[in-house]
Amino acid sequence: DTAVSQTPKYLVTQMGNDKSIKCEQNLGHDTMYWYKQDSKKFLKIMFSYNNKELIINETVPNRFSPKSPDKAHLNLHINSLELGDSAVYFCASSQEGQRNNEQFFGPGTRLTVL
Amino acid sequence: SQQGEEDPQALSIQEGENATMNCSYKTSINNLQWYRQNSGRGLVHLILIRSNEREKHSGRLRVTLDTSKKSSSLLITASRAADTASYFCATDQGSYKLIFGSGTRLLVRP
Repeated sequence: DTAVSQTPKYLVTQMGNDKSIKCEQNLGHDTMYWYKQDSKKFLKIMFSYNNKELIINETVPNRFSPKSPDKAHLNLHINSLELGDSAVYFCASSQEGQRNNEQFFGPGTRLTVL
Repeated sequence: SQQGEEDPQALSIQEGENATMNCSYKTSINNLQWYRQNSGRGLVHLILIRSNEREKHSGRLRVTLDTSKKSSSLLITASRAADTASYFCATDQGSYKLIFGSGTRLLVRP
């Protein structure tokens, strides 16, 4: 009965490869997010989708492409991986309309690019 | 940078002592939230304080907010070893976006 789940938990790959990270939430939320946490623990928003519509798109290389097939899923595809993409990526969700924008986070995907 | 600042960056205390972490931010906010991150895990929401509130309590947690100084503090009373984690403040500036601080690493020694 995990609320926000991500797969895989660990991803080790070579530079130049293309990879995807999947996220699913069973909370019935209509807003989902992708965050990147670097080695210094800084957590930065990358994308947000509300009802499958992109609403936040921070300054992220266009090698990163989010895809939301439905409200419960938000996947992140990364093309031509670079060393600097190594980080922990977190998916999160929240419910629009609530004044409290409390976000629920997944366990994270640790991406290592060699 | 939009990133909030937290201090101290790291804090080591003895079990039973109180821990205080501070957060400063740069723009006006709707609310401010505190999250905990255990090593290797995702963030967990702890407490939210709205911009028109000055203090809020939840169990052993006490949060204050001073919007004139654009700062907040999180106090954990009677700390336990299980409180060892990183703590992040996050400001809700509207438009779904949370801006996270740099985090405070708390170590509670048994």
